[in-house]
Amino acid sequence: GAGVSQTPSNKVTEKGKYVELRCDPISGHTALYWYRQSLGQGPEFLIYFQGTGAADDSGLPNDRFFAVRPEGSVSTLKIQRTERGDSAVYLCASSPRTSGFTGELFFGEGSRLTVL
Amino acid sequence: AQSVTQLDSHVSVSEGTPVLLRCNYSSSYSPSLFWYVQHPNKGLQLLLKYTSAATLVKGINGFEAEFKKSETSFHLTKPSAHMSDAAEYFCVVPTGGNSGYALNFGKGTSLLVTP
Repeated sequence: GAGVSQTPSNKVTEKGKYVELRCDPISGHTALYWYRQSLGQGPEFLIYFQGTGAADDSGLPNDRFFAVRPEGSVSTLKIQRTERGDSAVYLCASSPRTSGFTGELFFGEGSRLTVL
Repeated sequence: AQSVTQLDSHVSVSEGTPVLLRCNYSSSYSPSLFWYVQHPNKGLQLLLKYTSAATLVKGINGFEAEFKKSETSFHLTKPSAHMSDAAEYFCVVPTGGNSGYALNFGKGTSLLVTP
């Protein structure tokens, strides 16, 4: 499809387990972002990639969270030793570039993570 | 740091009546500002944006917003609500200045449209 694709759409896991969430951005978009949206809140910034490198990971809550984008396209958000507080919708977005930032990010539908 | 405050968590209007969703911003200078909309089971979508050109900004689906520096506000309006407008609306400001790449979202306003 033409939009940002995220898999899985829903993930239920047990406390302490490892989870991977995948994002496939719009073809040709060099910038990729991960956000987290908790119930009743707006999305919160986690990490931003320009190409293959993480240009800013200041939003990652702790070292249990890690993200990669090895070939500058698909990205994976990895969460180790999951906790119940990690339950949220994880949103991925992409944009063509960041110079002359326009504010327009193209979001996927999100991956809903539930930690039991 | 730049931030936004959405003054209403829920707004309910009747179909055909005006919509007003309120947003105040906090910034040491005139920021860029955006409104995003999130329909159920859909991805977030940019509704409109202000980038220091015209203070009255028109967006998609008949929405518009006016940047008022004196009031530090960027309220979203629509003259006549439609059932399909029911969604979550977020007021948004870039972090780290207008060339920043991360967006700072408000907590959102849920718009309910009744027949």
